[in-house]
Amino acid sequence: QKEVEQNSGPLSVPEGAIASLNCTYSDRGSQSFFWYRQYSGKSPELIMFIYSNGDKEDGRFTAQLNKASQYVSLLIRDSQPSDSATYLCAVSYLKTGNQFYFGTGTSLTVIP
Amino acid sequence: GAVVSQHPSRVICKSGTSVKIECRSLDFQATTMFWYRQFPKQSLMLMATSNEGSKATYEQGVEKDKFLINHASLTLSTLTVTSAHPEDSSFYICSAGGRSNQPQHFGDGTRLSIL
Repeated sequence: QKEVEQNSGPLSVPEGAIASLNCTYSDRGSQSFFWYRQYSGKSPELIMFIYSNGDKEDGRFTAQLNKASQYVSLLIRDSQPSDSATYLCAVSYLKTGNQFYFGTGTSLTVIP
Repeated sequence: GAVVSQHPSRVICKSGTSVKIECRSLDFQATTMFWYRQFPKQSLMLMATSNEGSKATYEQGVEKDKFLINHASLTLSTLTVTSAHPEDSSFYICSAGGRSNQPQHFGDGTRLSIL
């Protein structure tokens, strides 16, 4: 069974701090990893994706992938109140085409 | 980035009504589209995978005769909730992906309320 686990939170950080969101997955056959942000009452929107071990940076966001330890994380630097949302981790497997397996999400609150 | 359009955004109707939701990929061809349901404060639940030109694959526990999915072209998939009842009230979201392992892009969702 392919499992993707996230701490549901809530995670609270002060404005300007670094928010660190973590995700672990069970299947070593995992190929691609995605982070989505979902505001309350809205649909998810893609933030970043990462395929290879290491770090990938995009503005204030950095995705980190460690396939040996089977975890992927998202760092948000200089957190803003507008970053307050639920962050979903998703994993896909080559063998299942582009079906995604989602974690339950981590709720982040950035305190002004 | 890729754009997925979903309509309608909100539906309120009486019990027993059938409701059709459309999901379109506007600027790319989506060989696969996915339909999710999300209840308040809960995670996304995959309902079915829709492949262009073939029958949809439903997740365990999802009634295929109640949730009819049609994916007639590479840019359009529809979900019809037949004879909807209050327990079908939920937030329905479609997503579309291109090639394998590429990101899925979500529509804005349809909030369905059955009275």
